[in-house]
Amino acid sequence: NAGVTQTPKFQVLKTGQSMTLQCAQDMNHNSMYWYRQDPGMGLRLIYYSASEGTTDKGEVPNGYNVSRLNKREFSLRLESAAPSQTSVYFCASSEKAGETQYFGPGTRLLVL
Amino acid sequence: DQQVKQNSPSLSVQEGRISILNCDYTNSMFDYFLWYKKYPAEGPTFLISISSIKDKNEDGRFTVFLNKSAKHLSLHIVPSQPGDSAVYFCAALGGGSNYKLTFGKGTLLTVNP
Repeated sequence: NAGVTQTPKFQVLKTGQSMTLQCAQDMNHNSMYWYRQDPGMGLRLIYYSASEGTTDKGEVPNGYNVSRLNKREFSLRLESAAPSQTSVYFCASSEKAGETQYFGPGTRLLVL
Repeated sequence: DQQVKQNSPSLSVQEGRISILNCDYTNSMFDYFLWYKKYPAEGPTFLISISSIKDKNEDGRFTVFLNKSAKHLSLHIVPSQPGDSAVYFCAALGGGSNYKLTFGKGTLLTVNP
């Protein structure tokens, strides 16, 4: 099992460009999450999907959109990237709400 | 307002000794606590967890203790190994959301050979 996979590993964008971060899990988990980690800080929740077909805002949703494509895949889209979105983005999944979340390897995003 | 606090940014211990990492929280509605280990350029790896109905959980070299009255938990690693050198994050679930993990800022553990 690969667990949680993320693509790309690293991306450089110019301000105003758009991109989609991809995430997939092969653990048959119902819930999936997107977090961002900034220097000296813990991870903060951007969006989550409790189950296939549902998505909800987390702590820091502004500037992002998400799509739960199917049970396996959960993508994060930046429509118009800003330097404040320079961060490391982690996708995670859990069997259901309230259970242990398992993380992917992360995507490092630099917005110039 | 930081609801999960790891007050020690770093900790250095000798190989073979005990490592104790501490975490405090303010939200009494948290009901599930987790520790993650993170190496540079990798995602957090789940280490061990504890439910609020327990006060101790053990898994091999790792033990987590929970003191609900003090709103404090700690992770003990015995014996410490150089491969344990990483950033350790304390995280909590509950507190009004079963989806959002609330993370501390992390403690960098260095185990010296």
